[in-house]
Amino acid sequence: EPEVTQTPSHQVTQMGQEVILRCVPISNHLYFYWYRQILGQKVEFLVSFYNNEISEKSEIFDDQFSVERPDGSNFTLKIRSTKLEDSAMYFCAGGGSGIDTGELFFGEGSRLTVL
Amino acid sequence: RKEVEQDPGPFNVPEGATVAFNCTYSNSASQSFFWYRQDCRKEPKLLMSVYSSGNEDGRFTAQLNRASQYISLLIRDSKLSDSATYLCVVNAPSGTYKYIFGTGTRLKVLA
Repeated sequence: EPEVTQTPSHQVTQMGQEVILRCVPISNHLYFYWYRQILGQKVEFLVSFYNNEISEKSEIFDDQFSVERPDGSNFTLKIRSTKLEDSAMYFCAGGGSGIDTGELFFGEGSRLTVL
Repeated sequence: RKEVEQDPGPFNVPEGATVAFNCTYSNSASQSFFWYRQDCRKEPKLLMSVYSSGNEDGRFTAQLNRASQYISLLIRDSKLSDSATYLCVVNAPSGTYKYIFGTGTRLKVLA
């Protein structure tokens, strides 16, 4: 069964450093997302991406964040200058294929720890 | 009012019990509704979609009340393996597939 893969599974970084989280979505999906979940809190929408551009973003997704799908397969989330409060689990998700049930398929997540 | 609201629980129930969770949503224009399950420190996984007429999948029954803007999930004959956090998910009707998650309701099924 196809799956969404994310790397790294865990990254520890110093405050102020740049971080890139990578995702390989399921190939026939049309919409791609980044969500984050701070420990013990809810899953929060960051950004959706369709047709090679951002279709929607939340207020969390400020100028420190950017997304790219440079080669038609990888989907990346970049945090330019990490803050302590960026420590969270970041989930990549995809959906919206030809057989559309509205289901989102999530990767296993990348845990980011900012020190 | 929060976009998607759930009682965080925890709900501690004995094996074999029936348990019900509710979820309310704020945007009356939302069209798609789901229950996801999340195990500790894992990714959310779709449990079931919620249809207007209500739907059942084995021991799980989902209901939608558009007039009152709430969704429910009923779990019958609870198993230990049902212990998880149940996430109510609603699409934000913005012309894209944007999904808003509730805080989740924690269920612990006790032996």
